[in-house]
Amino acid sequence: NAGVTQTPKFRVLKTGQSMTLLCAQDMNHEYMYWYRQDPGMGLRLIHYSVGEGTTAKGEVPDGYNVSRLKKQNFLLGLESAAPSQTSVYFCASSGNLNTGELFFGEGSRLTVL
Amino acid sequence: GDSVTQMEGPVTLSEEAFLTINCTYTATGYPSLFWYVQYPGEGLQLLLKATKADDKGSNKGFEATYRKETTSFHLEKGSVQVSDSAVYFCALTDNTNAGKSTFGDGTTLTVKP
Repeated sequence: NAGVTQTPKFRVLKTGQSMTLLCAQDMNHEYMYWYRQDPGMGLRLIHYSVGEGTTAKGEVPDGYNVSRLKKQNFLLGLESAAPSQTSVYFCASSGNLNTGELFFGEGSRLTVL
Repeated sequence: GDSVTQMEGPVTLSEEAFLTINCTYTATGYPSLFWYVQYPGEGLQLLLKATKADDKGSNKGFEATYRKETTSFHLEKGSVQVSDSAVYFCALTDNTNAGKSTFGDGTTLTVKP
């Protein structure tokens, strides 16, 4: 009963390094999203995808790239990490726009030194 | 654009007290409304939802009613327990815009025995 799985769960980077966060869902959902959560700021949408092979920018896309080569996977990349990208990242998926319910992963805590 | 404003925290209550967390929203369309709960170290999970005006969502003793006239979706529980201690997020989903969700900043609830 996996649902949405994120890897890695923790990562420490130095400024300028690159990394990729992987999100995998086993619910056959069309829609997938990447959010970042910062203290006192709720969740902010970084990028999203409405289906395999599609991606679009959210509220705070700068410094991030994404890919959705397979329906079940949604990758979030940081090409050159900055301290401002220290955050907790959540992936979510949705299979029904009428209800709009999101299913979340457990989060990935990223620290950029 | 869409926005969600929820009561600032933190909120501290004694066990068996009555809980209200206020949430108001602005949206151009007819969004679905949600309350999500986040326990320490975990991702968000759906607590309850309402998809149209006057709908009441309920789960685990929590309730919220979709009030279009006051653009509100206040969360209530008649008798809180220590296990209800968590962060609560109000959110709306624009069903006409790729299901993108907008979140409030979150309210931290601590229930003391």
